[in-house]
Amino acid sequence: QKEVEQNSGPLSVPEGAIASLNCTYSDRVSQSFFWYRQYSGKSPELIMSIYSNGDKEDGRFTAQLNKASQYVSLLIRDSQPSDSATYLCAAPYGGATNKLIFGTGTLLAVQP
Amino acid sequence: GAVVSQHPSWVICKSGTSVKIECRSLDFQATTMFWYRQFPKQSLMLMATSNEGSKATYEQGVEKDKFLINHASLTLSTLTVTSAHPEDSSFYICSASYRVDYGYTFGSGTRLTVV
Repeated sequence: QKEVEQNSGPLSVPEGAIASLNCTYSDRVSQSFFWYRQYSGKSPELIMSIYSNGDKEDGRFTAQLNKASQYVSLLIRDSQPSDSATYLCAAPYGGATNKLIFGTGTLLAVQP
Repeated sequence: GAVVSQHPSWVICKSGTSVKIECRSLDFQATTMFWYRQFPKQSLMLMATSNEGSKATYEQGVEKDKFLINHASLTLSTLTVTSAHPEDSSFYICSASYRVDYGYTFGSGTRLTVV
C-alpha cells in the first residue's frame, strides 16, 4: 500500500452540491494530515489541516479524520465553479525529517 | 506569515546546460526545505530534503549528481539541474515548514523547459 492514496477522479458535481473527497493512508505516515488545492499550472495551497479524530470545519470546508479506519476526507459544501481544481491529501512521512508525502490527487470539476 | 519565494517562475534552456532554481523562506528560518517535481497530470513527487549546513537527502531513484542541492543559509536553498535534457522538463516546486502543525508552504514553482 502506498503511504497516501486517493481516487484520481475526476469527480464532477453540480454547483451548490457537496463534494466529498477521500484519502486513505498507511501506518508509515505521521498522524497529521493536510488538504491542499492545486489549480492547473500553479503550486499547491493549504486548505485544511487535521490531527485529531472527528471533524474540523472552516467555512465551506470540513475535514474528517478516522484513525481507526485510516481514512481522512474533505467535504466542500455549496461547491462553486472556482472550487474546480485538483485536491491533494498529504501527510508527513514518519521520521525525523517529516517530509510531506502526497496522494495522487483528485480532480474536482464543479459544473455551473 | 510563512511565505516561500521561488525564482525563476519559468526557464527555457538548451540541452546540456545547467539551471539553478532558488527557494527562499521570507519571514521564517527553515532548517529543512523540500524539493518536488511534478510532471503533467501527475502528483508531486518528492525529490530531496534539503538540510541547512549539511548534505541533502535524496529520494530513491533521484540522481544526486544531476540535481545538486545547496542549503547554505537558514533562508535559502538552491536546486541546480546539471546537464539538463528534455526529459528533465517539469514543474519544480520547493516547500518549507515554519512549524509542522502549521502545514507546509510551497513556493510558486518553476517551470523548466529543456529544448
